[in-house]
Amino acid sequence: DQQVKQNSPSLSVQEGRISILNCDYTNSMFDYFLWYKKYPAEGPTFLISISSIKDKNEDGRFTVFLNKSAKHLSLHIVPSQPGDSAVYFCAASGRGSTLGRLYFGRGTQLTVWP
Amino acid sequence: KAGVTQTPRYLIKTRGQQVTLSCSPISGHRSVSWYQQTPGQGLQFLFEYFSETQRNKGNFPGRFSGRQFSNSRSEMNVSTLELGDSALYLCASSLGDSRYEQYFGPGTRLTVT
Repeated sequence: DQQVKQNSPSLSVQEGRISILNCDYTNSMFDYFLWYKKYPAEGPTFLISISSIKDKNEDGRFTVFLNKSAKHLSLHIVPSQPGDSAVYFCAASGRGSTLGRLYFGRGTQLTVWP
Repeated sequence: KAGVTQTPRYLIKTRGQQVTLSCSPISGHRSVSWYQQTPGQGLQFLFEYFSETQRNKGNFPGRFSGRQFSNSRSEMNVSTLELGDSALYLCASSLGDSRYEQYFGPGTRLTVT
């Protein structure tokens, strides 16, 4: 049962443009959401997170938006750079029985071309 | 601060053998989680340890086990290896309380032949 879904396996964007990666979740107990970036043969690198008490969080070129009513979040990268090309994973967690556990989406391969 | 380290980075084992993987968390982090990544299943949670106690466990058979030491270092063990256990095994550490950011190591690539 995939509780976190990334429906787009790939996204291709021109350098300098905005990249928008989307993620949906089904478990209403999730209250913390994270984005990770992963290069081949490396572990995921933490990018940015957002708590369910907020609807937006920014860090430099990265902004995450959370729409709780739609159970949807998105990651915006502006401007996109070729070095951003990687697989991006959305993850979610909560309290209680999910403590210490992240639920991951299947990832979206972002390609930024010059 | 040094990041999460995992040893070994690569491992080749034969079906039926057992294997032990090691993880050293970021200094001050008390929680260590383990994940299995395969092309078909993505990142799957194995278990999480906090202060030497297993707090959470994923849906993996009993052949997969782990432990955590008093210095927060953790090991996971897989007994009676099967071909399907070939995967990238990732360890992540966090403060383990109200913060959920987990920081990952580079992983151990296990190949079972």
